[in-house]
Amino acid sequence: NAGVTQTPKFQVLKTGQSMTLQCAQDMNHEYMSWYRQDPGMGLRLIHYSVGAGITDQGEVPNGYNVSRSTTEDFPLRLLSAAPSQTSVYFCASSYQRYMPIGNEQFFGPGTRLTVL
Amino acid sequence: GDSVTQMEGPVTLSEEAFLTINCTYTATGYPSLFWYVQYPGEGLQLLLKATKADDKGSNKGFEATYRKETTSFHLEKGSVQVSDSAVYFCALLKNAGGTSYGKLTFGQGTILTVHP
Repeated sequence: NAGVTQTPKFQVLKTGQSMTLQCAQDMNHEYMSWYRQDPGMGLRLIHYSVGAGITDQGEVPNGYNVSRSTTEDFPLRLLSAAPSQTSVYFCASSYQRYMPIGNEQFFGPGTRLTVL
Repeated sequence: GDSVTQMEGPVTLSEEAFLTINCTYTATGYPSLFWYVQYPGEGLQLLLKATKADDKGSNKGFEATYRKETTSFHLEKGSVQVSDSAVYFCALLKNAGGTSYGKLTFGQGTILTVHP
């Protein structure tokens, strides 16, 4: 198993540009999520999905869109990039729709995004 | 809302020193508690977890005990190695049910550097 994969690893955008961060998992996990990591703030949840066709907002959803057309893929779209979206983005997945007590999330290697 | 507070870093230790990274939380109900580790250039990996009060999680020589009376989950290791240099995140997960499933709440992270 490749686990959770993310592309690209690095990206530089100009303000106003759009792009899609890719995330895929091959573990047949129902639950997938996107976090952003900023210095001194830990990880914050952007969007999550409990299965194909179902998505919901996390703590910091503004400026981001997601969709979940398949179990494997969960892309994150930046509609009009802003410097405040400079961050490291992590995708994570888990094998049950309703996370029972103590369920583990598996994280991808991250995408480092810089918006100029 | 739920929150996790970790001790300020960075923490710098010599090899074989004793490590403590403090973590306290605020949450209603009975969350599960986790420590994740992030090695340079990689995503987060689960280090250990505890799902109820007085549980002790342990892995790779690290330990943490779920203390409900002090709302704490401090990470300890008796003798650190250079290879333990990483960023450590404390996190909580609310029990399954309602709309809070799957939402990990992270502390801000603590950078640990171990010198030979």
